Amino acid sequence: KQEVTQIPAALSVPEGENLVLNCSFTDSAIYNLQWFRQDPGKGLTSLLLIQSSQREQTSGRLNASLDKSSGRSTLYIAASQPGDSATYLCAVPGGGADGLTFGKGTHLIIQP
Amino acid sequence: DGGITQSPKYLFRKEGQNVTLSCEQNLNHDAMYWYRQDPGQGLRLIYYSQIVNDFQKGDIAEGYSVSREKKESFPLTVTSAQKNPTAFYLCASHLGAYGYTFGSGTRLTVV
Repeated sequence: KQEVTQIPAALSVPEGENLVLNCSFTDSAIYNLQWFRQDPGKGLTSLLLIQSSQREQTSGRLNASLDKSSGRSTLYIAASQPGDSATYLCAVPGGGADGLTFGKGTHLIIQP
Repeated sequence: DGGITQSPKYLFRKEGQNVTLSCEQNLNHDAMYWYRQDPGQGLRLIYYSQIVNDFQKGDIAEGYSVSREKKESFPLTVTSAQKNPTAFYLCASHLGAYGYTFGSGTRLTVV
């Protein structure tokens, strides 16, 4: 059964720093990986979707990489801002039509 | 704009009562999902549906029921058999190998 782990569970940094969030998964037979952002009490907002044939995907200050062979993905946030404070979730498709398997997330706080 | 609409935003349930959470999408996606989110446990799959009039149990289906009579709609009923229903419920949809889209959630509280 697919398992997804996110490290660190929580992170607090000063504004302006570049930072890396990590995601690992146990079954490398995935066809894509998706990063989400969740603000308190809100739904999930999709940030980046990386197909298995890609190694990177970029959107503004966000860059996500995927290494299927090692079962890892990283989300890089450049020049962090207080508005980036949220929980970041990594998810991969389960077997067949079982939806997504999620990590428990990284709770990020950017200090002004 | 296309998206997923969940209602209500907040819902209160009395002991022994059934309640229904609404999920509507205008994305023309075939597949729809219900997840439950509890603090410290991440998201867990309750039910999913790949096509109209067909749905499958997820990891924590006990105490819940669903229907899929229309492509756009996938309501979730929390029955009295669900002993610990207080949680945040999220509906999602997707099409093929494209990414998943989530609604804004319903927070259910037992009173």
